[in-house]
Amino acid sequence: GQQLNQSPQSMFIQEGEDVSMNCTSSSIFNTWLWYKQDPGEGPVLLIALYKAGELTSNGRLTAQFGITRKDSFLNISASIPSDVGIYFCAGQWGGADGLTFGKGTHLIIQP
Amino acid sequence: GAGVSQTPSNKVTEKGKYVELRCDPISGHTALYWYRQSLGQGPEFLIYFQGTGAADDSGLPNDRFFAVRPEGSVSTLKIQRTERGDSAVYLCASSLSGTSDEQFFGPGTRLTVL
Repeated sequence: GQQLNQSPQSMFIQEGEDVSMNCTSSSIFNTWLWYKQDPGEGPVLLIALYKAGELTSNGRLTAQFGITRKDSFLNISASIPSDVGIYFCAGQWGGADGLTFGKGTHLIIQP
Repeated sequence: GAGVSQTPSNKVTEKGKYVELRCDPISGHTALYWYRQSLGQGPEFLIYFQGTGAADDSGLPNDRFFAVRPEGSVSTLKIQRTERGDSAVYLCASSLSGTSDEQFFGPGTRLTVL
C-alpha cells in the first residue's frame, strides 16, 4: 500500500538540539497527523492538523499543514532524552478513514 | 486499563496454519481499525469497522485475510493459510465515533510465521 515520503530516515542529535522532520505525499490529505512510537507500543498521537496552512504547537512540538495539502513538517525544540523514539507522519482523507503513514524518522539522542 | 488491548502479544505459527488475533477497543468506541506494520515500516491500513459492519476493507491484501466485529465491540482478525510474508506486528486502533476523532492504538500482536 501507499506510504508517505518521510525524511530523514534517522537523526543522531545531541540533547538540547532542535529537530526537524518532514513528510510529503503525491496526493492531497484533509488531515495531517504526527505520531510517536516507542518499542513494543502502538503509536501515540502528538499533533493533529485539520486546515491547510495551519501551524499548531504542543509544548516543545510544532507542526504545520502545508498549503498544498501534500506536505507537513514537525519541529521539536530543545530535545530531551525521552524524545527518543520513532516519529510517524500520517495523512487522512476523510474524518473516519484509515490513516496513511510515512516510514518513520528514528530519533536518537547522543549523550 | 482503559486503553485498547490486543491478544496475544506474540504469536508464532507455521506456514499454512490459521491464526486469529483479537482486539478489545476502548469501551464506547464505535470505530475500530486494523493496521499491519512490517519491520522498519509505518503501519498500513487494513480494514475499518463502524459498529458491526466493515465500512472499508480496501486495505486487506488478499482473501486469506478476514475480520469480524459481531457485537460492535471486540474484533477478530483472521488469517488463513499463513505465509512467511504475513509476519508483522498487527495493530488495532479505536476511535469514539470515527469522524475526525483521534485513533487510539493498542500495543499490537507480533505475528511470526515460520
